Amino acid sequence: EDQVTQSPEALRLQEGESSSLNCSYTVSGLRGLFWYRQDPGKGPEFLFTLYSAGEEKEKERLKATLTKKESFLHITAPKPEDSATYLCAVHGGSQGNLIFGKGTKLSVKP
Amino acid sequence: DTEVTQTPKHLVMGMTNKKSLKCEQHMGHRAMYWYKQKAKKPPELMFVYSYEKLSINESVPSRFSPECPNSSLLNLHLHALQPEDSALYLCASSRRITSGDSYEQYFGPGTRLTVT
Repeated sequence: EDQVTQSPEALRLQEGESSSLNCSYTVSGLRGLFWYRQDPGKGPEFLFTLYSAGEEKEKERLKATLTKKESFLHITAPKPEDSATYLCAVHGGSQGNLIFGKGTKLSVKP
Repeated sequence: DTEVTQTPKHLVMGMTNKKSLKCEQHMGHRAMYWYKQKAKKPPELMFVYSYEKLSINESVPSRFSPECPNSSLLNLHLHALQPEDSALYLCASSRRITSGDSYEQYFGPGTRLTVT
C-alpha cells in the first residue's frame, strides 16, 4: 500500500536555528514528490516538485532533496514568517491522485 | 500567474439548503480537483476532472455534486449536508493528467463551510 509519513509532527525552532523536516514514502514507482506550505485556514502553497533520487531544489531559505526512500526539507536560518504546516505529497505509479502526509507544523520563535 | 480563485470565502448553510462553491483558474490547466480538509488533517481528494470529464470520484456522498462547465471553471453543488460536512473545501488545478508524467497542483484559498 502506498504511504507517506512525515516527521516530526511538530517542530519548534528559534529564529536562525536551521533544521530539517522528513518525508518518507513507500510507493510503487514514484512519479513525483511535492512539498507544500499551508498557513492556517488557507490553501496549500506549492513549493517544490522532485522527480528522481539525487534531485535538489532551492527557494530562499528552503532546500528540498530526494532519495529513493525519503525527502528532506531543509530550512536554513528560519524566520518567524516561515511558521506554517509543511505538507509532503507523492504521486505513485498505481495511483491517479496525490497521497499526502499528515504534515509538520513548524513554529519559529523570534 | 499561478492563481486559483474560489468563492465564497465563507459559507454558513442549514441542512436543508442548496448552495454552490465556485472555482476558477486561467492557467490553461486541463485537470481540476476538489478536496475536503478537516482541521489538522491533510486534504482528502473528492473529485477529479480531466479535460472537463469526471475522472475520479472518491466515493463521495451524493449530497455533493461536481460540475465542470468549461476548462476554467469548476463548481461543487451542495444539498442536504450534515454538520460533519463542515470543513475547508479546496479547489486545485494542474496542467493535465497523464499515465506517465506528474504535475504539481495549484490550490485555491478554500471555502470555509459551516453546516448548522
